[in-house]
Amino acid sequence: DAKTTQPPSMDCAEGRAANLPCNHSTISGNEYVYWYRQIHSQGPQYIIHGLKNNETNEMASLIITEDRKSSTLILPHATLRDTAVYYCIVRVARGGGADGLTFGKGTHLIIQP
Amino acid sequence: GAGVSQSPRYKVAKRGQDVALRCDPISGHVSLFWYQQALGQGPEFLTYFQNEAQLDKSGLPSDRFFAERPEGSVSTLKIQRTQQEDSAVYLCASRRGEGTYEQYFGPGTRLTVT
Repeated sequence: DAKTTQPPSMDCAEGRAANLPCNHSTISGNEYVYWYRQIHSQGPQYIIHGLKNNETNEMASLIITEDRKSSTLILPHATLRDTAVYYCIVRVARGGGADGLTFGKGTHLIIQP
Repeated sequence: GAGVSQSPRYKVAKRGQDVALRCDPISGHVSLFWYQQALGQGPEFLTYFQNEAQLDKSGLPSDRFFAERPEGSVSTLKIQRTQQEDSAVYLCASRRGEGTYEQYFGPGTRLTVT
């Protein structure tokens, strides 16, 4: 799997857009970018995934650069409940039996009131 | 609907004891995963089931760790002769099936070995 690099922590003011970067310069053509988050004392929660095109759902938007070497997760109007560790994961969509996710250390996003 | 549930939520074991951790996946989900999360780290993959078949156990740290899913639904992770380094949160996740992307995680079992 391609390695990802994320800043260890970020702050964002409540109500503002939170932009979380992720570098994945060794990503290969069949690897997707996934984002999960983990709120304190809970299990991780899926947010969004994408291959090439930008994606949006009810939780967030995912912007992937044209060369696919980096991406940004955008939470458009951050709330205090968005305080969590955010993980950027690069993985083939269907890896046969090897479907476990590699999480890394993620970015601890702290939303300030 | 009901999500992934795990029991117990907390377990304290004396070094050398055997423990069994249970995971109830979302009903009908084909795929089931176990992860281990040490304090301050991201989850690390342990093993993967598709129905009752254990297709990947490459992440199990030693032969003291054993997982089963005999009827393709509930799964049990067993740790024999627990050691202090086994202290961690053990997370279970399920996925609807092949070709789907989202893994749904349970709240985890926090194991403390004293």
